[in-house]
Amino acid sequence: GAVVSQHPSRVICKSGTSVKIECRSLDFQATTMFWYRQFPKQSLMLMATSNEGSKATYEQGVEKDKFLINHASLTLSTLTVTSAHPEDSSFYICSATKTGGPEAFFGQGTRLTVV
Amino acid sequence: QKEVEQNSGPLSVPEGAIASLNCTYSDRGSQSFFWYRQYSGKSPELIMSIYSNGDKEDGRFTAQLNKASQYVSLLIRDSQPSDSATYLCAFPGNTPLVFGKGTRLSVIA
Repeated sequence: GAVVSQHPSRVICKSGTSVKIECRSLDFQATTMFWYRQFPKQSLMLMATSNEGSKATYEQGVEKDKFLINHASLTLSTLTVTSAHPEDSSFYICSATKTGGPEAFFGQGTRLTVV
Repeated sequence: QKEVEQNSGPLSVPEGAIASLNCTYSDRGSQSFFWYRQYSGKSPELIMSIYSNGDKEDGRFTAQLNKASQYVSLLIRDSQPSDSATYLCAFPGNTPLVFGKGTRLSVIA
């Protein structure tokens, strides 16, 4: 199998606070994980590529100091949205690939609402 | 830049009909292609992968690949209202998959 678990599935936070989202590969080791953001009725937007043991690679226009990514083990990557604002409200989704395979397996997604 | 083109839809088909979803891609060297299904408010789910020219069937789903034309399609036979979703095609880019914007399918009961 290839199961990716993302937690929490929903979170509401106050403006100015930070939120941490976890992405775990449950039955395989993921050397690379990806973080996406998706606004309503829009397509997936890649935010960053997370490699185990090294710094994440961010896409153009994504603030690395605002969206902190840590990939400390082969099964866990975290995304921390720092000093969240209402415009950060979105659906955040992680995905992971198995070694040697191009398919991406997605977590369940996290719906973040900043009030 | 590697790209995937999909008709955004919506594509509406009656229940029981065949739904045909199409995708063209820019990278002539790509060897693998994937179809994902995304229900509203949910994350994408891998439903089909295809690596060689021709057809690949899995239940009611058939993926078709034509590398010469850089074209991949997904046929859904006996469409059900539960098939209503956005379907994304994808192929490997430099590291992450390159996704199309998706085609929204609506199956009318």
